[in-house]
Order: sequence, then structure tokens, then C-alpha cells
Amino acid sequence: AQSVAQPEDQVNVAEGNPLTVKCTYSVSGNPYLFWYVQYPNRGLQFLLKYITGDNLVKGSYGFEAEFNKSQTSFHLKKPSALVSDSALYFCAVRDVSGGSNYKLTFGKGTLLTVNP
Amino acid sequence: DTEVTQTPKHLVMGMTNKKSLKCEQHMGHRAMYWYKQKAKKPPELMFVYSYEKLSINESVPSRFSPECPNSSLLNLHLHALQPEDSALYLCASSPRDREYSNQPQHFGDGTRLSIL
Repeated sequence: AQSVAQPEDQVNVAEGNPLTVKCTYSVSGNPYLFWYVQYPNRGLQFLLKYITGDNLVKGSYGFEAEFNKSQTSFHLKKPSALVSDSALYFCAVRDVSGGSNYKLTFGKGTLLTVNP
Repeated sequence: DTEVTQTPKHLVMGMTNKKSLKCEQHMGHRAMYWYKQKAKKPPELMFVYSYEKLSINESVPSRFSPECPNSSLLNLHLHALQPEDSALYLCASSPRDREYSNQPQHFGDGTRLSIL
């Protein structure tokens, strides 16, 4: 079975400071990894994905994530947080080899609050 | 603006009513999904359609009945729902399901359903 852990329910940062939202995963094979963001009263918006290749992935709105195979982690980062980044962030994993019937498994979510 | 359109945005219904949720995408995607999301929780997969055929039913109660009339439309028919079914219902699409599992799912903004 595959799983995703987001160890922090909530992350608070000051505007202009760097932010990190943590994610670790478990799959039987190799992973496809995704980050999504959800603003209030909206659906999930895709931010970035790791498929293969370069471990540092750049995505929308200045976000990036680093894939670390040895630590089975895929932490989301941004060098300078904006108040408008305040939202609920979900990490998700899919097994490349079709484990769990190719289903997308989400972490429980991390609520990011950026303070002015 | 999202490329997956869901209607209605809000729905209040009694436990004896019959209603339908609708989802539409014009991205040429051949996989479509229904998710249920409770407040501040991750989405829970309900159904997957691949090439207009139901490929995954996550043991969803029969009071929820999905339908995929064509490659652009996805419906969720509701009947005799319970108060615990109150949630945000999200539709998503992706180019394919299993064959392109490295592609992100695109989500609509959901229908917020309240059962009286």
C-alpha cells in the first residue's frame, strides 16, 4: 500500500521569509509525486510534479520542491512567502508501476498561514 | 478560471430528494474522477471513469450513482442521502488514467452539498 505523510498540520511564516511544507511518502515501486494547493471555496490546483530526472522541480507561483529518494521526501519550498500563499497544501503520490491500482494518494494536508 | 466546470456550486437537499451533480471538461481528457472532501481533509476517491467506462468504484454506497454520457461530461446522481454525506464534491480529469499516470489531475471548484 502507498501512503503520504505531511507531519505538520499547520505552518506559520512571516511574509518575505522562506517557507517549507514537508512531505514524505511510501510506495512499493518508484513514485510520481505531486503538490496541490487549495484556496478557500476552491478546488485543488496543481503546483508541480516530480516524474524523473532533476531532483529539484520548479512549479507555479515561484514554488519548488526537492525530491530526495534516500529520505523518501518531497518538501515544498518557496524563497519568499506572500500573504496570498496562505492556503491548504496537499502532497500526493502515485506508484509508477501501478501499485494501488494507479490511484492518487493524498497526504492529510498542511494549512499554511503567511502573516503580514 | 478552472478548466473543469462543476454545477451547481451549492446544493441543499432533503434526505428524500433526488438531485444530480454535473461536471464538464473540454480538454480532451479521457479519465474523469469523483472525489468527496470534508472540511480541511484530503479528497477521498469515489469513482474513476476511463474512456467513458467505470473503472474504479471505491465501495461507494448505492445512493450515489455515477454516469458518464460522453467523454466531456460526468454526472453524479444522488438519492436518499444521509446527513453525513454533506461535503464538497470534486470532479477531476486527466489525459488518461493508467497509461499516463504521470499527468496531474485537473480539479473543478466543486459542489458544496448540504443534506438536511
